Parts: sequence; C-alpha cells; structure tokens
Amino acid sequence: DGGITQSPKYLFRKEGQNVTLSCEQNLNHDAMYWYRQDPGQGLRLIYYSQIVNDFQKGDIAEGYSVSREKKESFPLTVTSAQKNPTAFYLCASSIGPGIQETQYFGPGTRLLVL
Amino acid sequence: AQSVTQLDSQVPVFEEAPVELRCNYSSSVSVYLFWYVQYPNQGLQLLLKYLSGSTLVKGINGFEAEFNKSQTSFHLRKPSVHISDTAEYFCAVSETGTASKLTFGTGTRLQVTL
Repeated sequence: DGGITQSPKYLFRKEGQNVTLSCEQNLNHDAMYWYRQDPGQGLRLIYYSQIVNDFQKGDIAEGYSVSREKKESFPLTVTSAQKNPTAFYLCASSIGPGIQETQYFGPGTRLLVL
Repeated sequence: AQSVTQLDSQVPVFEEAPVELRCNYSSSVSVYLFWYVQYPNQGLQLLLKYLSGSTLVKGINGFEAEFNKSQTSFHLRKPSVHISDTAEYFCAVSETGTASKLTFGTGTRLQVTL
C-alpha cells in the first residue's frame, strides 16, 4: 500500500534537547511538507520541499530544521530554539511543484515537552 | 496573501439532519479550494476539491461543496449526517501558480448526536 508514514506516534522532549520527527512516503511524490497543528489554530506550514536537496521556509520555520537527501524522506528536527514545541506535527506530500494536486497526509506525531 | 475564515468553531447536529459548514476565503488572484476531514489523533483526509469547471463539487462520504466566486465562499454540505461524520473539518485555499502551498482555516468541529 502506498502512503505516508510518520514516526514516532508520540515523542517527548526534554529542555534543551533537539528531537527529530521522521516522515517517509512511497508515493513517488516530489513535493513534501511539514505542518504544525495547535488547538484552534488550524495547520501552519513549517517547511516544504519541492524536489530533492531543496527546501523552503514556510510561515513558522524558526526553531525548526529539515533535510531532503532522498526523495522519499523529509525529516523535521525541532531544535532547542523552539520554545513552545508542544503540538501535533503533520507531514504531507504531493506529486510535484507547479502542479496543483492533492496533498496527502501522514498520521501525525504528537510532541510533548517533559 | 490568501486567508481562510471558518466562522463556526463547533457545529452540533442531530443524526440524519442536514449540515452546512461555512468557509470564506480572501485572495487577490484565482484560487483552488479544498475541504479536508480529520478524525481524532489522525492525519487529514481529502473530502473534495475545486480546481476549475463546475462550481458544485461532490466528494466522498456524501459531502458536496459549492464555489461562489462573488461571495468568496466554499461552503460544505451534507443532506443527512451520520454519527461517523463526527470529526474536525478544515477548509484550505491555494493560489494558482504557487506550487501547492495551502493555507488552512482554523477548523470546524462537527458533533453529530442521536
């Protein structure tokens, strides 16, 4: 079955710690996205990548970093500079840049601060 | 820049009753419009989308939406809801030619009761 997997489902972060959220897709999509979801605020775009080895900041990139070394993988690192990381993080992918196609979402990772 | 407004944060409705979830958008250019559904602790699933053509769009699970350019609206409707429709619904907009960047509304919680 093709789809998007995110791991872990729950992640706990200690003060000053960097943590990495995994996102893998086997849909052969070129574009991938990371969103943050907070109660009552909808989804906000953190980073997106239209092609391997290239990515752009979204609306709330501060305190986060990404890499896109492989087409199928787009990991998100929440750094210690992100002072309020508790949220639900969603990864998505779509066919490619410049093509208005559906974004498909993973099941999400819930990040909690200890 | 585009924006999306979902005025109703919660909509309670009895089973088998009709429902309308409201979505208004703002943009200076042509847009694509989407409705997504999110069940608790899960990712988002596409219900329907408007890219061009007929302004009445039919989606999965019996939902439909109508694009009204003059009123900048894209309201979601279902003639008879089921308990299983209880979920969070998000409206999203993308400006044409912006490589699939979505802007989401804050969501509407549909609560269906017996």
